[in-house]
Amino acid sequence: AQSVTQLDSQVPVFEEAPVELRCNYSSSVSVYLFWYVQYPNQGLQLLLKYLSGSTLVKGINGFEAEFNKSQTSFHLRKPSVHISDTAEYFCAVILYNTDKLIFGTGTRLQVFP
Amino acid sequence: DAGVIQSPRHEVTEMGQEVTLRCKPISGHDYLFWYRQTMMRGLELLIYFNNNVPIDDSGMPEDRFSAKMPNASFSTLKIQPSEPRDSAVYFCATKRAGGLEQFFGPGTRLTVL
Repeated sequence: AQSVTQLDSQVPVFEEAPVELRCNYSSSVSVYLFWYVQYPNQGLQLLLKYLSGSTLVKGINGFEAEFNKSQTSFHLRKPSVHISDTAEYFCAVILYNTDKLIFGTGTRLQVFP
Repeated sequence: DAGVIQSPRHEVTEMGQEVTLRCKPISGHDYLFWYRQTMMRGLELLIYFNNNVPIDDSGMPEDRFSAKMPNASFSTLKIQPSEPRDSAVYFCATKRAGGLEQFFGPGTRLTVL
């Protein structure tokens, strides 16, 4: 069965420091990969997605992620975080030829001044 | 363009009462998804529609839950009777046919006392 694992439930970091949020997936078929962000009391907003092509994808707000097929990973990175990046981040996959998003459990990024 | 609209934003009700959550999709989006978010189970897909037809309702927890999409502009998720364990944030999301990105509404926070 397919699944998405986010290894860290919480990541505390100081402002202007780099951050990496980890995501691994398990699937026997090809997948499309996504990162969503959820700010407090809001819905989910797409940060970036990998469909095909270059394995390094850039998203909004200075985030980027790299698809690693051999390690079945799609880690999210930002070289310098801001206080405003404090939010919950969800990794998700869609199996090829389906419409269902499968979410990880989320990582809460807390940025301190 | 207006995004996905959900109402109410907050609902507090007593156990045993009927609850109806509403969603207005983005115009032109043929797919509509209902998700539930809880601390224990994370984000779960309950049901989704394509062109107003339910495609997959395998995530609907039990018969107390029902969803309808009478037209392309409106969907409801009903819980009857409601129970305290139904307390969660319920999200509606929509997407275009052939697209992969789902656009989420702000959610309805349901509290069942």
